Amino acid sequence: EAQVTQNPRYLITVTGKKLTVTCSQNMNHEYMSWYRQDPGLGLRQIYYSMNVEVTDKGDVPEGYKVSRKEKRNFPLILESPSPNQTSLYFCASSPLAGVNTGELFFGEGSRLTVL
Amino acid sequence: AQSVTQLDSQVPVFEEAPVELRCNYSSSVSVYLFWYVQYPNQGLQLLLKYLSGSTLVKGINGFEAEFNKSQTSFHLRKPSVHISDTAEYFCAVSEQGAQKLVFGQGTRLTINP
Repeated sequence: EAQVTQNPRYLITVTGKKLTVTCSQNMNHEYMSWYRQDPGLGLRQIYYSMNVEVTDKGDVPEGYKVSRKEKRNFPLILESPSPNQTSLYFCASSPLAGVNTGELFFGEGSRLTVL
Repeated sequence: AQSVTQLDSQVPVFEEAPVELRCNYSSSVSVYLFWYVQYPNQGLQLLLKYLSGSTLVKGINGFEAEFNKSQTSFHLRKPSVHISDTAEYFCAVSEQGAQKLVFGQGTRLTINP
């Protein structure tokens, strides 16, 4: 089954404790992206990657890091989480040609709470 | 840069009533337009999209949307809603040639029996 898998789905952590949210897709997509969803703000792009070893900042990259060492994986790293990073995070993937035409496939989301 | 405004944060309707969710966009170039749906505790999935051609676009689950270039709008409609349509709906825009989707703030559709 074609899917985007995120882990963990739920996490409560404390300020400053490094964490990683993993994202894996099994569709051989070149493009992967991370979004955060906050009430009243919709989805905002954090980082994206057009292919292996190619990453770029989205609209709200501060406080986050990513890496793309393999095509299928695109982990999101919070080196020193703060309460304002409490949010619902989504990973998405797409064939490169499909990004512009809206063919994004989303994971089920990871709800992160930073105390 | 493109932007999207969804005019209603919440829309309550009765079951079997019609519904319209409003979306306006801003861009200086030609765009592609999309509606995504997010059911409770799930990720987003594509509902319908406008790339070119007919301005009336039909999607899954009986939804349709109309692209109005002069009013820069892409409103989503359904003639008769069901309880199962309860979800959050996101309008999104992509400028032609750009590798980026910009999402609106979302509209929560609540269906009352």
